[in-house]
Amino acid sequence: GAVVSQHPSWVICKSGTSVKIECRSLDFQATTMFWYRQFPKQSLMLMATSNEGSKATYEQGVEKDKFLINHASLTLSTLTVTSAHPEDSSFYICSARGIDRTYYNEQFFGPGTRLTVL
Amino acid sequence: DAKTTQPTSMDCAEGRAANLPCNHSTISGNEYVYWYRQIHSQGPQYIIHGLKNNETNEMASLIITEDRKSSTLILPHATLRDTAVYYCIVRVAGVSNNAGNMLTFGGGTRLMVKP
Repeated sequence: GAVVSQHPSWVICKSGTSVKIECRSLDFQATTMFWYRQFPKQSLMLMATSNEGSKATYEQGVEKDKFLINHASLTLSTLTVTSAHPEDSSFYICSARGIDRTYYNEQFFGPGTRLTVL
Repeated sequence: DAKTTQPTSMDCAEGRAANLPCNHSTISGNEYVYWYRQIHSQGPQYIIHGLKNNETNEMASLIITEDRKSSTLILPHATLRDTAVYYCIVRVAGVSNNAGNMLTFGGGTRLMVKP
């Protein structure tokens, strides 16, 4: 149990375009999903926290108008990188926190999405 | 959440036990010690967590000192597939607010298991 998927697993796009990344909890419901970014040889950095049905909370230094997060259901959150630039190239990872007794308060991570902006 | 300190890298021979230390001298009484690992180009994987008692599961053992200021993750028989970055994180568990559920990743320990 507790599987989180991400789609796509990798994407290459041109500078100036927008890219949407999906994060799904496959076998559990998640009230909260977290989005992380990881640059090469660095650790994960939390970008934002999203709760189902409400606005995301962004970490300091993360532009909310550039990284649009939608958490429309208990099993799906999306991150849209708008007007992507080469410096946005990174490994984007989501995690989901379960709401039932089995998974409550534990975070389960997706496999990540590698974004390359040309 | 309390900060943790881990060695940057470690080597281990295949088949031997890998002992990964973590210092968390400012840990609070209600903070748990969590261990995750990240294999190259994958998302982090939960390994184990504990409060004050030693814990063991099918993946590893967690030894927490009596004063809770440090802990050691033990992989009893390391394999090449255990090569990864291992993260030690302390956080409060069992809370409903987002701050309590945040995981703050430090640099971790890059474990290289060699044949």
